[in-house]
Amino acid sequence: EAGVVQSPRYKIIEKKQPVAFWCNPISGHNTLYWYLQNLGQGPELLIRYENEEAVDDSQLPKDRFSAERLKGVDSTLKIQPAELGDSAVYLCASSPPPGKTYNEQFFGPGTRLTVL
Amino acid sequence: AQSVTQLGSHVSVSEGALVLLRCNYSSSVPPYLFWYVQYPNQGLQLLLKYTTGATLVKGINGFEAEFKKSETSFHLTKPSAHMSDAAEYFCAVSGPRAQFYFGTGTSLTVIP
Repeated sequence: EAGVVQSPRYKIIEKKQPVAFWCNPISGHNTLYWYLQNLGQGPELLIRYENEEAVDDSQLPKDRFSAERLKGVDSTLKIQPAELGDSAVYLCASSPPPGKTYNEQFFGPGTRLTVL
Repeated sequence: AQSVTQLGSHVSVSEGALVLLRCNYSSSVPPYLFWYVQYPNQGLQLLLKYTTGATLVKGINGFEAEFKKSETSFHLTKPSAHMSDAAEYFCAVSGPRAQFYFGTGTSLTVIP
């Protein structure tokens, strides 16, 4: 079974430029998460999807961040414009239905963003 | 509210020695607790989880953890460290809306 796929693995951009990250979850997993992981820290939730619906986006900085999950499968996370403080690893995770609190999350390898 | 505290951001043990990584949690609901491991430039991988039932949970790679409600702890142990155990370890608690709250992580170094 293929795992969670993320691309690109690494991205270097200049500040004020836009950037997008893509995530393909494990087949059949209807819950998808985007996390931000700063160096030396644990992951922090940005947004959670149940199918195509964003059910928790309270921590997403909506002035510059946006996300979509068309058709309830792949998802894209965008930052526009990027700031120096956005340099971090962006992790995507998915979990199988139902979206219970004890469900394991399966993580992708992450996209390491560097903003210069 | 849910939160996790991992005591010790860095732990070093000798190869073959006991590994003990500490995790304390706070939760307003019955907790579901998890330990994940992260190797360099990789995503997180589940080691073990506690949901209900037996409080001693066994996971992959010889790791286990014990849920102690009275101490609000979920410490991770392994009897004998191996070089391949060197990684970052994260404790997490799940919230009522299936969101996860992660600790700040503990970096484990294994000394040959």
